[in-house]
Amino acid sequence: DAGVIQSPRHEVTEMGQEVTLRCKPISGHDYLFWYRQTMMRGLELLIYFNNNVPIDDSGMPEDRFSAKMPNASFSTLKIQPSEPRDSAVYFCASSNNYEQYFGPGTRLTVT
Amino acid sequence: GIQVEQSPPDLILQEGANSTLRCNFSDSVNNLQWFHQNPWGQLINLFYIPSGTKQNGRLSATTVATERYSLLYISSSQTTDSGVYFCAVRRDTGRRALTFGSGTRLQVQP
Repeated sequence: DAGVIQSPRHEVTEMGQEVTLRCKPISGHDYLFWYRQTMMRGLELLIYFNNNVPIDDSGMPEDRFSAKMPNASFSTLKIQPSEPRDSAVYFCASSNNYEQYFGPGTRLTVT
Repeated sequence: GIQVEQSPPDLILQEGANSTLRCNFSDSVNNLQWFHQNPWGQLINLFYIPSGTKQNGRLSATTVATERYSLLYISSSQTTDSGVYFCAVRRDTGRRALTFGSGTRLQVQP
């Protein structure tokens, strides 16, 4: 298996622009997670899905953030409008309810 | 929520030395994982170890769930072991996501 796939790997955008991050989980995994890593806050959960349904979005910082999972093999995390404080590494992870596996992350820089 | 504390926060070793990293957690868990974040930022799975002991080459881990701690042992360290080691746990009940500790930053010097 190719593991969890994320795109793009790097994204640089200007404040106010829309940003879309993409994730393809490991085939057969029914849980998908979005995490964010910053120096100040470490690794923190944003949202997770079970069988394509959002279960817990309490970590989503504000209404500018939204996530979807239209099918078992694809999820998006969208930030609109983006702000400099959104700069971070965004990780997608998937699991079969046991071990979680992480993608390589998307490094987002908002100027 | 559950609290996860890792120690030490920073560690510098000479190549060939051994080390022990500790993870304490505040509640019962049914999932505990150790990760290595390499200098390129990738999170590499080391162990899935909610209880018991496992070994993989120079690395081994032990989780004593009843006493709410886990240990990661690194023997004969190499420069490629450098990076940040994270412990992450999931509670017995509630949400299925992992809660991460703040990590141990390891630097192995040649």
